[in-house]
Amino acid sequence: AQSVTQPDIHITVSEGASLELRCNYSYGATPYLFWYVQSPGQGLQLLLKYFSGDTLVQGIKGFEAEFKRSQSSFNLRKPSVHWSDAAEYFCAVGARGTDKLIFGTGTRLQVFP
Amino acid sequence: DTAVSQTPKYLVTQMGNDKSIKCEQNLGHDTMYWYKQDSKKFLKIMFSYNNKELIINETVPNRFSPKSPDKAHLNLHINSLELGDSAVYFCASSLTGAGGVNYGYTFGSGTRLTVV
Repeated sequence: AQSVTQPDIHITVSEGASLELRCNYSYGATPYLFWYVQSPGQGLQLLLKYFSGDTLVQGIKGFEAEFKRSQSSFNLRKPSVHWSDAAEYFCAVGARGTDKLIFGTGTRLQVFP
Repeated sequence: DTAVSQTPKYLVTQMGNDKSIKCEQNLGHDTMYWYKQDSKKFLKIMFSYNNKELIINETVPNRFSPKSPDKAHLNLHINSLELGDSAVYFCASSLTGAGGVNYGYTFGSGTRLTVV
């Protein structure tokens, strides 16, 4: 069965600092991987996704993520965080032939000025 | 212009009542979903419909009944509401591509249900 682990419940960074949010997945074949962001009181917005091909994917708002099969990871990165990036971030995994996405428990990002 | 719209945004009701949440998408997607987000932000799928056909029906009390009159609409009716039903309910939609590829969900802004 598919599963997703986000080891960090809460991360705090200073504005302008770099960011890496961790995501590990469990799936037998090549997964489809997604990162979503949820601002307070809002729905989830898709940041980026990986299906196949280039393992480094670019997303919106300056985010990128790298798929590492050997580590079963899909970590999200941003070189310089802005205060508006403060939100909850969710990693999700899907699979070919099913529309169901399994979400991680989320990482709350706090940004200090 | 909203891609996935849910109504109402907030719902406060007493235990034992019956309530409905409506969802509409104008993206031309073929699959729609209901997810429940609990107080710890955990997201769990409840149902999915593909072209009005029920595809996913997770372990959800049968007090919850989805209904899809057409592929652009998916409503959720909840009977005999309980305190534990308090949560944020998200509707989402997606497009399934060739070979069963799911290109990712578009979410609505959520309905915060509070049962008192």
